[in-house]
Amino acid sequence: EVQLVESEGGLVKPGGSLRLSCAASGFTFSSYSMNWVRQAPGEGLEWVSSISTSSGYIHYADSVKGRFTVSRDNAKNSLYLQMSSLRGEDTAVYYCTRGRYSSSSPDCFDSWGQGTLVTVSS
Amino acid sequence: AIRMTQSPSSFSASTGNRVTITCRANQSISSYLAWYQQKPGKAPNLLIYAATTLQSGVPSRFSGSGSGTDFTLTISCLQSEDFATYYCQQYYSFPLTFGPGTKVDIK
Repeated sequence: EVQLVESEGGLVKPGGSLRLSCAASGFTFSSYSMNWVRQAPGEGLEWVSSISTSSGYIHYADSVKGRFTVSRDNAKNSLYLQMSSLRGEDTAVYYCTRGRYSSSSPDCFDSWGQGTLVTVSS
Repeated sequence: AIRMTQSPSSFSASTGNRVTITCRANQSISSYLAWYQQKPGKAPNLLIYAATTLQSGVPSRFSGSGSGTDFTLTISCLQSEDFATYYCQQYYSFPLTFGPGTKVDIK
C-alpha cells in the first residue's frame, strides 16, 4: 500500500522558515516524480512544486519561486519542501503527492498524503 | 498559465441522480486532464486521468469525456458517498493548474 506521511507543520511568523518532509513507503520511491500541492483554508487546490525522479527537473509555482526549495533523498524515500520568507498567503494544508506517470513531464497525482497545516501569522 | 474553469460551482442533487460537471481550459490541453474527489477534511482522491481513464479502484459510475478545451465528469447514479467537491486539473504544461472546484451536496 502506497503511504505518504508529511511531517508536522506548525505556526510560523511572517518572514520565517519551515521545512516539511514526506516519508514514502509501499512503492519504489526513486521511480516516481513527486510533488507538493497546497490548499488554503476553505479554498481550492494549488500546485506548488514538482521534482523528477533523479531531481534533474524541478518546477515551481510563480507564487513560491525563489522562496521555496523542493528536494528529495531517494536513499531515504523522502521528499522535502524548504519554505522561507513565509507570508500569510502561504497558510495552507500542504499535501505530498506522487506523480502518476513516473516521468519528468507534467503529471497528475495518484496518491496523496494526509496533509499538514502550515499557519503563517504573527 | 493555463486557466481552468468549472461549472457549476455548486449544486444540490439527490441519490440516484445522474450528474454532470463541466471543466474548461482556456487553451487546448489535448487529453491531459484529471478529475479528483475531495471530502471535507480529507485529501483529494484521483478519479480519472487522461480525460477518460478510470483510476484503479474507482467505481464505474464515474466517467469522463472530452478533449481539447472542454471536458465533463459524469456520475451515472449518485450515491451518498459521492457528496463531495470535485476538481479538474490540467497536466499539459507547467504550471499545473486546477479548476476552482464543484461542490455537490444533498438536496
